Amino acid sequence: DSGVTQTPKHLITATGQRVTLRCSPRSGDLSVYWYQQSLDQGLQFLIQYYNGEERAKGNILERFSAQQFPDLHSELNLSSLELGDSALYFCASSVDPPDRLNTEAFFGQGTRLTVV
Amino acid sequence: GQQVMQIPQYQHVQEGEDFTTYCNSSTTLSNIQWYKQRPGGHPVFLIQLVKSGEVKKQKRLTFQFGEAKKNSSLHITATQTTDVGTYFCAGRSYSGAGSYQLTFGKGTKLSVIP
Repeated sequence: DSGVTQTPKHLITATGQRVTLRCSPRSGDLSVYWYQQSLDQGLQFLIQYYNGEERAKGNILERFSAQQFPDLHSELNLSSLELGDSALYFCASSVDPPDRLNTEAFFGQGTRLTVV
Repeated sequence: GQQVMQIPQYQHVQEGEDFTTYCNSSTTLSNIQWYKQRPGGHPVFLIQLVKSGEVKKQKRLTFQFGEAKKNSSLHITATQTTDVGTYFCAGRSYSGAGSYQLTFGKGTKLSVIP
């Protein structure tokens, strides 16, 4: 158990819908990262937050947004869903801020999103 | 943006054979991390390499960081069925605004035939 909690574990929704994925980082971790894992595509970095502030953006679509709340949990919002958005979405957390190099990331179990 | 290429994509080995996966970055890295993801699981941190030419060992696993800090490798000696999974490298580089981004390779999926 990494200490990172993601809900829900599975989500099935229709095209055009909007969903929210939730992540609770490990106790004491201020950094939260979101990744998308599709078949044979590895882990695509989406976005990173530190203590409530967005710190880096990766290949995140405009239909997707995220935020980190004062209690440090984070939500990833996916809207106008398309079939191609079906993937495993991982949240990871780390204790160090993004400007520190030696930052090990702890991953949650992921949310498997299926768009039908 | 930064790209991290990892080869091979798949590797099937007989139990007891050695296995190596290679990672190459398009840019010089600040450090590189390796993760293992078991089937149906989530990535788990294995190790981090920071210095140019660094070599680290964990039992049967040997990790190397290239002199130019643009490539890395993971070598497993005498594979066991417990080594099955996907091995990812992740390169850390400066992404601006005082932050460092971790870019993952696509991973090498290792199958071990008993």
